[in-house]
Amino acid sequence: NAGVTQTPKFRILKIGQSMTLQCTQDMNHNYMYWYRQDPGMGLKLIYYSVGAGITDKGEVPNGYNVSRSTTEDFPLRLELAAPSQTSVYFCASSSPFSNGELFFGEGSRLTVL
Amino acid sequence: DAKTTQPPSMDCAEGRAANLPCNHSTISGNEYVYWYRQIHSQGPQYIIHGLKNNETNEMASLIITEDRKSSTLILPHATLRDTAVYYCIVRARDSWGKLQFGAGTQVVVTP
Repeated sequence: NAGVTQTPKFRILKIGQSMTLQCTQDMNHNYMYWYRQDPGMGLKLIYYSVGAGITDKGEVPNGYNVSRSTTEDFPLRLELAAPSQTSVYFCASSSPFSNGELFFGEGSRLTVL
Repeated sequence: DAKTTQPPSMDCAEGRAANLPCNHSTISGNEYVYWYRQIHSQGPQYIIHGLKNNETNEMASLIITEDRKSSTLILPHATLRDTAVYYCIVRARDSWGKLQFGAGTQVVVTP
């Protein structure tokens, strides 16, 4: 199993541009999440999903959108990129039938200039 | 979910046990204590979790005080690869992945 795969690993955006961070998992997990991590800080939850077609806001959703059309994929859309969105983004997944462990991807480092 | 307090940093000699404290004095009865670590800039990795009993797995041991207001993660024989930021997180079982990460403890294992 590849686990949780994120693309791209690095990206530089100009202010006002848009882009989509891709996340896919092959563990058949129902739950998926997007976190962001600013330098020297802990992770903050952006959006999460408990299954295909169901998404909900986390702690810091402004400026982002998500969709969940399949169990495997949970893309994160940035509209009108701003410097404040410069961060490392982590996607994670978990199963409601396990011990609650989250499996994280390797992260996507985004810089907005 | 209850908040946690951890020391910002600690050093440990290679081969020695590393004891990482965590205070969670406002923990509720249905809340678990989870530990994750983040090596360099990789995604966090699950270590261990517990409710009220002490737990042990191949990576670490978790000691929870009887009043559940604090806990200690023990890495029995620290190696250089254990250098990481360690996060103590308290969450209710039904909150699943909505984890609240603090700043964690930066552990540096030295030769």
